[in-house]
Amino acid sequence: DQQVKQNSPSLSVQEGRISILNCDYTNSMFDYFLWYKKYPAEGPTFLISISSIKDKNEDGRFTVFLNKSAKHLSLHIVPSQPGDSAVYFCAAAGGSNFGNEKLTFGTGTRLTIIP
Amino acid sequence: NAGVMQNPRHLVRRRGQEARLRCSPMKGHSHVYWYRQLPEEGLKFMVYLQKENIIDESGMPKERFSAEFPKEGPSILRIQQVVRGDSAAYFCASSLQGAPTEKLFFGSGTQLSVL
Repeated sequence: DQQVKQNSPSLSVQEGRISILNCDYTNSMFDYFLWYKKYPAEGPTFLISISSIKDKNEDGRFTVFLNKSAKHLSLHIVPSQPGDSAVYFCAAAGGSNFGNEKLTFGTGTRLTIIP
Repeated sequence: NAGVMQNPRHLVRRRGQEARLRCSPMKGHSHVYWYRQLPEEGLKFMVYLQKENIIDESGMPKERFSAEFPKEGPSILRIQQVVRGDSAAYFCASSLQGAPTEKLFFGSGTQLSVL
């Protein structure tokens, strides 16, 4: 039962353009969402998060949008840079997760920025 | 300030052997989490520990798997009588307080290969 879904396994974007990564969830009790970035042979690193009381959070080139009614969130990266090439994981917390500490991850989207 | 340290980076075991994975959290962090990533899948929560206590082990298989985080020393994830299906990347993460409002810091993982 995949509660967090990233339906695009891969995405290629031209350098300088906008990258949009999507994530859908099924558990309406999730109330906190995070994006992690992962390079090969490294652990995931935290990128940006959003609470369910917001619909947008921005940090430099990265913006996360949350649409609670559609149970959908997206990560926008603009402008995209070659160093952004990595696997991006969407994660959610809340609901039945004990104490809000347990994250449920999506399967990831591999982003490739084309110079 | 050293990050989360996991060792070994790669571990090869034959079926039936034991695997011991170690994780030293970031300095000052007393919350440790173990996640497993099977090929082509997202990270799946296994267990959440604080010093000397298992807080949530709902993601841990009931048999052969155990975890500890002693007062002194690293956290250990132990897999007895390994099988081929245990082959995966095992990631440890730590936080100062409970996640996710305190972001998790991940180690680089241990890649377990069972022959």
